[in-house]
Amino acid sequence: DGGITQSPKYLFRKEGQNVTLSCEQNLNHDAMYWYRQDPGQGLRLIYYSQIVNDFQKGDIAEGYSVSREKKESFPLTVTSAQKNPTAFYLCASRGEGATYMTQHFGDGTRLSIL
Amino acid sequence: RKEVEQDPGPFNVPEGATVAFNCTYSNSASQSFFWYRQDCRKEPKLLMSVYSSGNEDGRFTAQLNRASQYISLLIRDSKLSDSATYLCVVNLRRDDKIIFGKGTRLHILP
Repeated sequence: DGGITQSPKYLFRKEGQNVTLSCEQNLNHDAMYWYRQDPGQGLRLIYYSQIVNDFQKGDIAEGYSVSREKKESFPLTVTSAQKNPTAFYLCASRGEGATYMTQHFGDGTRLSIL
Repeated sequence: RKEVEQDPGPFNVPEGATVAFNCTYSNSASQSFFWYRQDCRKEPKLLMSVYSSGNEDGRFTAQLNRASQYISLLIRDSKLSDSATYLCVVNLRRDDKIIFGKGTRLHILP
């Protein structure tokens, strides 16, 4: 079945370390997104990519980096510059045609600081 | 003014009741609107798109008021399984940015 796979499901990071969250999709979607969700809060956009080799900053891009070398992959790196990285991270992709603008989400990655 | 605003709730309503909540958006150029449902510690799932003419899906009715820049969601004959957080989502087609509201928490009481 087509879908979005995020890994790992749980991730623990020591302070000062960079970590990379994986997001892979086999839906052939052009657009992909990374969101952060804190307890009791809505989703905040970190980065998004409308096409391979292109991406734009969202509302809270500081301390994060992304790459989009392949259509199916949009990894997110949480750098040591991100001072409060503990959160639930969601990756999404967007369909085209009849499903335009409906987003498909991965199961998420919970990142915690040791 | 925030780009997308929702009453955070919680809305505590008895089973079988009808509940409605609104979402306001600030950018008049917004072009697409959606309601997502998110269960605790899960990813959001699309509940329904919102069309200018209003649309209904079973017990759920969504409406858009472009003049006043709000969308609404009405849930009739609420079920215990409707308990969740409902997220309002707005798209600015210009730059493909998708904006989520913070969500409205709904608790259906037995």
